[in-house]
Amino acid sequence: QVQLVQSGPEVQKPGSSVKVSCKTSEGTFNSYSITWVRQAPGQGLEWLGGFIPVFRTATYAQKFEGRLTITTDETMTTAYMELSSLSSDDTALYYCARDKSDYGNYVDIFDIWGQGTKVTVSS
Amino acid sequence: DIQMTQSPSSLSGSVGDRITITCQASQDINTHLNWYQQKPGKAPNLLIYDAYTLETGVPPRFSGSGSGTHFTFTISSLQPEDIATYYCQQFDDLPVSFGGGTMVEIK
Repeated sequence: QVQLVQSGPEVQKPGSSVKVSCKTSEGTFNSYSITWVRQAPGQGLEWLGGFIPVFRTATYAQKFEGRLTITTDETMTTAYMELSSLSSDDTALYYCARDKSDYGNYVDIFDIWGQGTKVTVSS
Repeated sequence: DIQMTQSPSSLSGSVGDRITITCQASQDINTHLNWYQQKPGKAPNLLIYDAYTLETGVPPRFSGSGSGTHFTFTISSLQPEDIATYYCQQFDDLPVSFGGGTMVEIK
């Protein structure tokens, strides 16, 4: 069973950046889109953006345009989510998730999830 | 952006009850809708995709229906292990969006 393993918890100061990684236990992300979702304490799920391998490009929720960057490494086994200009509103659990299909041309059905990375923004 | 309105926000049922959650999309999304279960402290778990297709390994007491703008998620016989928050999610158009969630409790 494929697993996504995320990096550990982060504590960052307001105005700084955070970079979270998501490594697949098997295979690569060559054919699978990767999406990032966050969950603020006691709140629901919020889609941040995703990496679409067929187009080798990322797509972002407009709310995060300009301060969110989603990438993968050269081997396509690790995906990254970097969020800049952090504020206390960015305190949340951040999840990566892999698409169910291997078409790699869209983000749609998320069947494998990482364990989540807690990001705390505090001065 | 497509808004997903989920109701109720919480519900309580007895073991064996049939419970239903609804999800309304702000525009036609065909059957491009998924349902997830999230237990406390855990990542979401895909239960149903494409509105009504049961994910492999998911018990058949879970089901989904609907198309267009109105969708329904049903647990035919509520079990203690079903205590969780359930979310709908549309993928008809970007940005992907989730409903606000329904917390299910046992009476």
